[in-house]
Amino acid sequence: GAGVSQTPSNKVTEKGKYVELRCDPISGHTALYWYRQSLGQGPEFLIYFQGTGAADDSGLPNDRFFAVRPEGSVSTLKIQRTERGDSAVYLCASSPTGAHEQYFGPGTRLTVT
Amino acid sequence: SQQGEEDPQALSIQEGENATMNCSYKTSINNLQWYRQNSGRGLVHLILIRSNEREKHSGRLRVTLDTSKKSSSLLITASRAADTASYFCATERGSNYKLTFGKGTLLTVNP
Repeated sequence: GAGVSQTPSNKVTEKGKYVELRCDPISGHTALYWYRQSLGQGPEFLIYFQGTGAADDSGLPNDRFFAVRPEGSVSTLKIQRTERGDSAVYLCASSPTGAHEQYFGPGTRLTVT
Repeated sequence: SQQGEEDPQALSIQEGENATMNCSYKTSINNLQWYRQNSGRGLVHLILIRSNEREKHSGRLRVTLDTSKKSSSLLITASRAADTASYFCATERGSNYKLTFGKGTLLTVNP
């Protein structure tokens, strides 16, 4: 079946602009996660959804970052007033209820110039 | 913040040899997972070992966990060129399933 998909695959934006990154999880997966990965590092947790609600948003670095999952399926990560330090690969993962292993999408590479 | 630290940072071996990667972590965990990442994009789950388990096998993979030393190792036997990738350990603690990853080991298997 279809895996986790993320759009766009690459996004280049200017400093100060607003961006939206989209994640389509595997159908039926209730848990959805966002991670951010900088070059040479492992992924860092941003936010976790269980259904429509954010169960843990402790990894969001500041209030410029916000994520939604209004219908419990697709999620959008929104970044306001982007900064060059936001440049990274943003990874989305999903998993079925109660499962511990996560299924990752290919990521969106965000470059802020 | 990163919980785990993989060792070595990079490993280069010949096809057919075994590859061993180590991971250390700092706090108590529910489970530890290993993931593979090709070309810096999506990660693929390889194996999960629970905190009450000491060893687990899956195909050519063998994982050990020593909770007293807060460390784990991943052994890939009879390596293939297709095993070339970055390998990350990730720990899960608490009740919300989020993962804390290490910095990874870059494995290169030369044909």
